[in-house]
Amino acid sequence: NAGVTQTPKFRVLKTGQSMTLLCAQDMNHEYMYWYRQDPGMGLRLIHYSVGEGTTAKGEVPDGYNVSRLKKQNFLLGLESAAPSQTSVYFCASSTDRGYQPQHFGDGTRLSIL
Amino acid sequence: EDQVTQSPEALRLQEGESSSLNCSYTVSGLRGLFWYRQDPGKGPEFLFTLYSAGEEKEKERLKATLTKKESFLHITAPKPEDSATYLCAVQAHYGGSQGNLIFGKGTKLSVKP
Repeated sequence: NAGVTQTPKFRVLKTGQSMTLLCAQDMNHEYMYWYRQDPGMGLRLIHYSVGEGTTAKGEVPDGYNVSRLKKQNFLLGLESAAPSQTSVYFCASSTDRGYQPQHFGDGTRLSIL
Repeated sequence: EDQVTQSPEALRLQEGESSSLNCSYTVSGLRGLFWYRQDPGKGPEFLFTLYSAGEEKEKERLKATLTKKESFLHITAPKPEDSATYLCAVQAHYGGSQGNLIFGKGTKLSVKP
């Protein structure tokens, strides 16, 4: 079972460039999440989705957009990348937004020069 | 404000030397407390969920406990393969972060043979 798959695994961008990170899950989970992880800080929620066609803001949404056109996919977009967005991005999914754990992918390491 | 504090930041143990990791939290009504393990270059891997004070869960050499203010992850007779960063996260019933996971910064555990 693949679980949660993130692509790409690594990427280097120049300031001002745009890109999209893809997350795919094969567990038929309704809920999906995007986090960023920075040194010395805990994982922080960027955006999340409670089902196909829905999105909502998390703790640190500025500079990011998301879309959930299909239940199994959750896309994270950076329209104009900034050095402050250099981070490791993790996608997660869960069966509900309450008592069940979230299952994480292995991350995308993004550097903005 | 919902908050999670993990201590110590780093812990070095000899193989077989038991110890505990601490997760202190303040939250607007605890829905659940989650423990994850994260290996370098990988995403967090789910270990345990605890829902109410007094609850305990075990898995191999790991045992998680919960009080109204903190959780402990006890590691009995650790092995080098237990080396990882252990993350604690809480989920609140109420407030602005309701339903979201709030992560601590983690404890990096190193077990030497």
